[in-house]
Formats: sequence, C-alpha cells, structure tokens
Amino acid sequence: QKEVEQNSGPLSVPEGAIASLNCTYSDRGSQSFFWYRQYSGKSPELIMSIYSNGDKEDGRFTAQLNKASQYVSLLIRDSQPSDSATYLCAVFDTGNQFYFGTGTSLTVIP
Amino acid sequence: GAGVSQSPSNKVTEKGKDVELRCDPISGHTALYWYRQSLGQGLEFLIYFQGNSAPDKSGLPSDRFSAERTGGSVSTLTIQRTQQEDSAVYLCASSRLAGGEQFFGPGTRLTVL
Repeated sequence: QKEVEQNSGPLSVPEGAIASLNCTYSDRGSQSFFWYRQYSGKSPELIMSIYSNGDKEDGRFTAQLNKASQYVSLLIRDSQPSDSATYLCAVFDTGNQFYFGTGTSLTVIP
Repeated sequence: GAGVSQSPSNKVTEKGKDVELRCDPISGHTALYWYRQSLGQGLEFLIYFQGNSAPDKSGLPSDRFSAERTGGSVSTLTIQRTQQEDSAVYLCASSRLAGGEQFFGPGTRLTVL
C-alpha cells in the first residue's frame, strides 16, 4: 500500500462547477497535510496546508481533513479553465517523512 | 522575498559525465529537499536536510548520487557517471521548519544523451 494515494484521473468538470479531489494516507498519526498544484512543465506550487480535522477555506479552495478516515480532500468552487492542472496531495508522517501522491489531473472545460 | 532558486535551468550532458545541480533555498528555511520527476510521473524523494542534522539519504537511487548542504544554506546535488535513466527534472524545495509548507524551485531539467 502506498503512503499517499490519489485517483490519477483525469477528472473533467465544466467551468463553474465544483471539482472534488481526494487523497487517502496510510500513517494514522500523520499531522500535516498539503495540496499542491502543478501546471504542465512547471514546478509544484502550494495551494493550502491543513493540520486539524474539518474544513479550511481559502478563496475558491476548501481543504477537508478527516483523520479518523485518513482522508483529505480539496474542493475547488467555481472552477475555471486556469485551474486545469495536476493536483498533488502531500503528507508529513510520524516518521518525519514527506510523501507525495502521484497526482490527479484536472481539466476544466469551458 | 526571493523564492527558491535552482541552477542551471537546463543541463544537457553525455552519458558517463558528472553533473552538479545547485539549489539556493529561501533565506531562513532550515529544511531542504531534493526530488526527481520523470516525464509524466510523480515526485520521487531523493534527500532531505534539516538544520545541522545528518541528512536523510534514503531516497538516493544509487551511490552515483550525492548531495551536500554548506553552511545550512546552498545545496548541491551531484550525479556521477550519468546514465540515460537519470534524465528528469530535479526539483529542490525548502521549508521554514521540518514538516512545514514546502516551496519549490523552478527545477533543473537534466538530459543525458
């Protein structure tokens, strides 16, 4: 079992819709969780971090964490074509290791 | 402030040659990471430096790969006797504290002919 798992996609949503990206992790004691966006040919850029159970909102982005279910998600409201990218989930586990998922490819259709 | 910088942005080398890739982290960041990303693939962890502690080298794929971080700041990743399978984008990231938000540099695209 991989440390961090994401559906590879591709995920396609129409412009203006909500995109939902999901991630599960294996280390139950993990405390720090991150979402990154990576455009083709570019390096990952940080979208959000989340450390506590519940929701954290930043503009059109909402990160959701459920430690009991070992599940973290990212919702993108009012999706725009410029949101089309690969989204990476990252987890910092109890072994002081960072693990990145392989990413979910999102396409927002105008 | 300035972000993470990496040099060179592109490097083309011949099989068997040695290469050095440089990373300049964000000032004050104690943690520095190196990753490798092959075309269409995910991030592969290589090595992690935290403050003055011994680096975590668990991700280095072979003994041809080594890295150092001088003075707790600039880091150099060295690949000896490069092979074609070393061709990838090498990414450096830094964070203020261990386990904190990582900020990535633009990467170095390495092509081994």
